[in-house]
Amino acid sequence: QVQLVESGGGVVQPGTSLRLSCTTSGFTFRDYAMQWVRQAPGKGLEWVAAISSDGTIKYYADSVKGRFTVSRDFSKDTLFLQMNSLISEDTALYFCAKAWKTRYASGTSDMDVWGKGTTVTVSS
Amino acid sequence: DIQMTQSPSSLSASVGDRVTITCRASQGIRNDLTWYQQKPGEAPKRLIYAASSLQSGVPSRFSGSGSGTDFTLTISSLQPEDFATYYCLQHDSYPRTFGQGTKVEIK
Repeated sequence: QVQLVESGGGVVQPGTSLRLSCTTSGFTFRDYAMQWVRQAPGKGLEWVAAISSDGTIKYYADSVKGRFTVSRDFSKDTLFLQMNSLISEDTALYFCAKAWKTRYASGTSDMDVWGKGTTVTVSS
Repeated sequence: DIQMTQSPSSLSASVGDRVTITCRASQGIRNDLTWYQQKPGEAPKRLIYAASSLQSGVPSRFSGSGSGTDFTLTISSLQPEDFATYYCLQHDSYPRTFGQGTKVEIK
């Protein structure tokens, strides 16, 4: 059974940093791209970042580019999101999500399994 | 970036009603479109992938159609458990983009 469990959220002041983790199980981590998606309170879903299955290719939303870094640890089957220079607009519930297609499949992939999320609040 | 315009933003419907939600992409995305359902306090749940393929375990009253720029999610007979917010996602290119969401409420 595929499971994704986010952690690391909290209440922080503007300008500070936070690192989110997404611990995975139930699938071959190295075979799948992974994504981060966030949802501000009462708002819709916003895609944040993606990382390829081998960790060499990364994509970011313009709103976080230069401040957030996505990475993965294959020894721990864990995905990370390093968030620096946090601003109030980063306040949200952060989800990690697994790509549906493996690295062997052709074409692009959506996300089929999501974690329950971890909450980040940026406030002075 | 590809913009996804979803409509309506909300709707009120009764149990048994047929409900249709649309998403329009600002450029062609082939069939690289997914529909998710989200209930309060929960993670999104995949309903339809590749524009028209039903996710395993999802009731057959849900269906999707479309290709290119125009897509539709249809609930053929709304059930009490279907009251939720629905989002489309394009995965044709990065950045991935979601529609604004459609909140389906009880009439």
